[in-house]
Amino acid sequence: GENVGLHLPTLSVQEGDNSIINCAYSNSASDYFIWYKQESGKGPQFIIDIRSNMDKRQGQRVTVLLNKTVKHLSLQIAATQPGDSAVYFCAEMGNDYKLSFGAGTTVTVRA
Amino acid sequence: KAGVTQTPRYLIKTRGQQVTLSCSPISGHRSVSWYQQTPGQGLQFLFEYFSETQRNKGNFPGRFSGRQFSNSRSEMNVSTLELGDSALYLCASSLGGKGEAFFGQGTRLTVV
Repeated sequence: GENVGLHLPTLSVQEGDNSIINCAYSNSASDYFIWYKQESGKGPQFIIDIRSNMDKRQGQRVTVLLNKTVKHLSLQIAATQPGDSAVYFCAEMGNDYKLSFGAGTTVTVRA
Repeated sequence: KAGVTQTPRYLIKTRGQQVTLSCSPISGHRSVSWYQQTPGQGLQFLFEYFSETQRNKGNFPGRFSGRQFSNSRSEMNVSTLELGDSALYLCASSLGGKGEAFFGQGTRLTVV
C-alpha cells in the first residue's frame, strides 16, 4: 500500500537527490504550519510556512505541500546538500497561538 | 537585525533550587513563547506571552512560570527543580499573529 504520509524518524539521502519529509498533524482546527530545521546545539531555524488557504508554497530549494483532507504536510528539498543534514520538525498552530511540534525527522546526507 | 537572545546558554542547578531564564525577542516582536525540548518528549509548549499577558499555557506544573516585560523581554522561572527538568529551554519570538516564529539558541539546563 501507499506510504504517503508515513512519518519516518530518519531519512538517509544521497547528495544531489531530492528529499521528501512527511508529517501528519493532529488538529483539524490548525490553519498555520511551519517547517523548522534544527542542527546540533542550535535552536530550530525557520524554513518555510504555509497557511491553510494554500496547498503548496515554494521557497529557495524547498517546497511545502499541505493536504488538509488527510491532515498531511510534506517538505521537499531539491538537490540535497551536506548542509541540509539536520533534524526537521513540522509545527501546527490554531487560534490558540500555540505551536505544536511533530516528532522530528533526522536527515542524513550521504556524500 | 539581532536575533532572539537567550541567557544563559548553559546552567547547572541542584535539585530543589530555582532558576530564571531570560529571552530577548527580535526588535518589534511582541510575542514570546517558551518550549522545553528533551530527547524523550520532543518540543513541548510551556506558555506564550503577548504584550505582557499570558495568552496560552501548556500542560506543565505550576512550578513553571513566566512573565513578559513592557519591552517584550521575557523570563521563565522554574522552582523546586527536579532531575526531570533537565532540558533545552527554547524561546521563540514573533509579531504576535500567525506568522514566522524565530527561535533563540536555547538554554541548556542540567539539574543534578
